[in-house]
This record gives sequence, C-alpha cells and structure tokens, in this order.
Amino acid sequence: KNQVEQSPQSLIILEGKNCTLQCNYTVSPFSNLRWYKQDTGRGPVSLTIMTFSENTKSNGRYTATLDADTKQSSLHITASQLSDSASYICVVTNSGGYQKVTFGIGTKLQVIP
Amino acid sequence: KAGVTQTPRYLIKTRGQQVTLSCSPISGHRSVSWYQQTPGQGLQFLFEYFSETQRNKGNFPGRFSGRQFSNSRSEMNVSTLELGDSALYLCASSLGVGVQETQYFGPGTRLLVL
Repeated sequence: KNQVEQSPQSLIILEGKNCTLQCNYTVSPFSNLRWYKQDTGRGPVSLTIMTFSENTKSNGRYTATLDADTKQSSLHITASQLSDSASYICVVTNSGGYQKVTFGIGTKLQVIP
Repeated sequence: KAGVTQTPRYLIKTRGQQVTLSCSPISGHRSVSWYQQTPGQGLQFLFEYFSETQRNKGNFPGRFSGRQFSNSRSEMNVSTLELGDSALYLCASSLGVGVQETQYFGPGTRLLVL
C-alpha cells in the first residue's frame, strides 16, 4: 500500500533558527515528490517539485532533498521567520498508466519570537 | 493574473442532499484537480481533468463526480451527502500535466453536512 509518513507531527522553533522536516514514503513506482506549505485557512502553496533524478532543490530559504534509494525526503528551512508558521505537506505521485497521488498528514510548524 | 477561484466559499447542506462546487482555473491553465481535506485524513486526491477528460481518479465512491468544460472551468458534484463529507474541498490548476508542473490551489470550499 502506498504511504507517505511525515515527522515530526508538530514542531515549535525560535525565530531565526533552522529546522528540518522529514518525509518517508513507500510509493512505487515513483514519479515525483512535492512539498507544499499551507497557512491556516488557505490552500496549499507549492514549494518544490522533485523527480527521480533530482536529489536537491531550493526555493529561497527552503531546501528539499530526495534520496530515491531509501525513499526519504527532507525539507530544510533556514533562518526561520514568523511567516513560516504553517503546515508542511509532502506529496508523492507514482508513475504508470493511472497515477496515484498520496499525501502525508503534514508537519505543523510554529515559529515563535 | 487572477488566481484559482472557487465558489461558493462556504456551504451548509443536510444529509441526503446533493451539492455542486465550482472551480475557475488560472487563465491559460488546462489541468484542474480536486482534493478533499479533513482534520483526520488530511488531503486526499479526488480527480484530475485535462482538456475536458478525466485523467486520474482517487479512491472515492461514485457519489463523487466531476467534469471540466471547454473553457477549463470545472465542477465537482457530491450526491446523497453523508456527514463524513464535511470537509474543505480544494481545487488546483496547472498549465499542463507534466511531472514538473506547479499546481496552484484555490482557497477552497468549506462544506458542512448536518
């Protein structure tokens, strides 16, 4: 069964600190992995998209890594800001004739002053 | 450019009724996907349309259906509503269906079934 597990479920960090969120998946065959940021009450916003051949991708202070061999991804946030407070969702799509999209439950990040 | 718009934003229905939600993608986008988000299950994929054709479908019962029009606008219909259908329904659009296509989400329609 295709699954996407994220850890931690929630995280509180001080403004200015770095943090790393984890995503482990069992989706196979793999097509792509996406990280989204979702502010409370709003739709998700795409942060990064990675395919099998990519092992790192950055978007400003957000850097995602992918290890397709171990089926793990991480999202690293540098120099956190209060506006980074949100849920971060990992999404994995499988390849094949009928693609299946599997979502992680998300990591709720709170950045405090 | 205007973003993805969804109507209505809020909706209250009773069990057994049906509901139709609407999504207008970003101008020029031809792919529209629908998702259901609940506190317990998180985000779940419903279906994806491209050029009026359903390309992909999630594991939802047949009560959930959708369609896409020639102008790329999309509608989602849920018949015989159940309490468990209470959720935030999100629509996302993208230019095409490539693996690197960025999806842009709308604000969602919050449905409450009583």
